[in-house]
Amino acid sequence: DGGITQSPKYLFRKEGQNVTLSCEQNLNHDAMYWYRQDPGQGLRLIYYSQIVNDFQKGDIAEGYSVSREKKESFPLTVTSAQKNPTAFYLCASSMARGNSPLHFGNGTRLTVT
Amino acid sequence: GESVGLHLPTLSVQEGDNSIINCAYSNSASDYFIWYKQESGKGPQFIIDIRSNMDKRQGQRVTVLLNKTVKHLSLQIAATQPGDSAVYFCADCSTGANSKLTFGKGITLSVRP
Repeated sequence: DGGITQSPKYLFRKEGQNVTLSCEQNLNHDAMYWYRQDPGQGLRLIYYSQIVNDFQKGDIAEGYSVSREKKESFPLTVTSAQKNPTAFYLCASSMARGNSPLHFGNGTRLTVT
Repeated sequence: GESVGLHLPTLSVQEGDNSIINCAYSNSASDYFIWYKQESGKGPQFIIDIRSNMDKRQGQRVTVLLNKTVKHLSLQIAATQPGDSAVYFCADCSTGANSKLTFGKGITLSVRP
């Protein structure tokens, strides 16, 4: 079945360590996104990519980095510079940016202690 | 800044009744709107979308109404079932060069048996 796969579902790290969250899609979508979700808040855009080898900062990019070497993959690295990294991270993809629905993965819950 | 918001944080309905979830948006340039459903521990799931050239769109047991005059969006769920219990998000977008989906904070729908 086509879809978006995020792994792992739960991730635990010590403060000061970088961690990379995986996102793979087989929907043949050009655009991919990373969102952060905190309790009581809406989804906040971290980074997005409309095409391979290109990506743009979203609203809260500080402390995060991404790469888009393949159309199917858009990994997110949470660096030690991110002050509040504990959150639920959602990856999404769409056919085209802005006028088509996003398809979401089931998220990765990152806990940093 | 411009944002999408929801009027109520929670909504409790009796099983079998109809549910109406409301959303206000502030970006007058928005021309594409989406409703998502998010179950606990999962990513948001697309429910229905509507473009600004329409006032109403129907899906299976769901109807989305758009009132551009007052910048209001609603999701109606007919014959609400226990499986409808979830958090519902509205999102809007203006399909320009810098288009970006803006998500509301979400409303919890609780279905009483």
